[in-house]
Amino acid sequence: GAVVSQHPSWVICKSGTSVKIECRSLDFQATTMFWYRQFPKQSLMLMATSNEGSKATYEQGVEKDKFLINHASLTLSTLTVTSAHPEDSSFYICSARSGMNTEAFFGQGTRLTVV
Amino acid sequence: DQQVKQNSPSLSVQEGRISILNCDYTNSMFDYFLWYKKYPAEGPTFLISISSIKDKNEDGRFTVFLNKSAKHLSLHIVPSQPGDSAVYFCANNAGNMLTFGGGTRLMVKP
Repeated sequence: GAVVSQHPSWVICKSGTSVKIECRSLDFQATTMFWYRQFPKQSLMLMATSNEGSKATYEQGVEKDKFLINHASLTLSTLTVTSAHPEDSSFYICSARSGMNTEAFFGQGTRLTVV
Repeated sequence: DQQVKQNSPSLSVQEGRISILNCDYTNSMFDYFLWYKKYPAEGPTFLISISSIKDKNEDGRFTVFLNKSAKHLSLHIVPSQPGDSAVYFCANNAGNMLTFGGGTRLMVKP
């Protein structure tokens, strides 16, 4: 299958700082990228959907000023957790797809720990 | 609005036997489903998909069945192997988004 690379795989940051997570589609053009969050023993929760060159669409309850998403090219999307707090500690996963009704391929995930 | 439910949070199966993972959904407008497998601290990996024009799709040890009238799909793994132990998510593809079920943790015992 197609390859989606997510970086970093884990990060520890101090409360109040910002963290950027990158998601790259390595062998296809991702017209749409998704960002998910997973709490322990729970399902993947969609945070936002981004299409290349346009603003991300955030799910209800997700603060767009806190979780900044940029999808500047067809192969790269970034999620920046601004002014992180311990409650933002979670597992963040991106996925990418080349078009509608195609499989979405996932990155490896990023374990964020805010101390 | 679509809801996808996996009512069994866990399943334990003996190696070599069949594993059957179930998934129910509410909105039949979006009849394209995918199954993903997820190990801890990793992203989900795509396993198999099925669309409404089929009621069965098979890929090696994995077979997905779709019952549109019951709004139900299932993933069969046979024979089950210890390496299949993971969390399995069914997901519905509705246009531009994926809706995931809660996942079922499969444990295959040697």
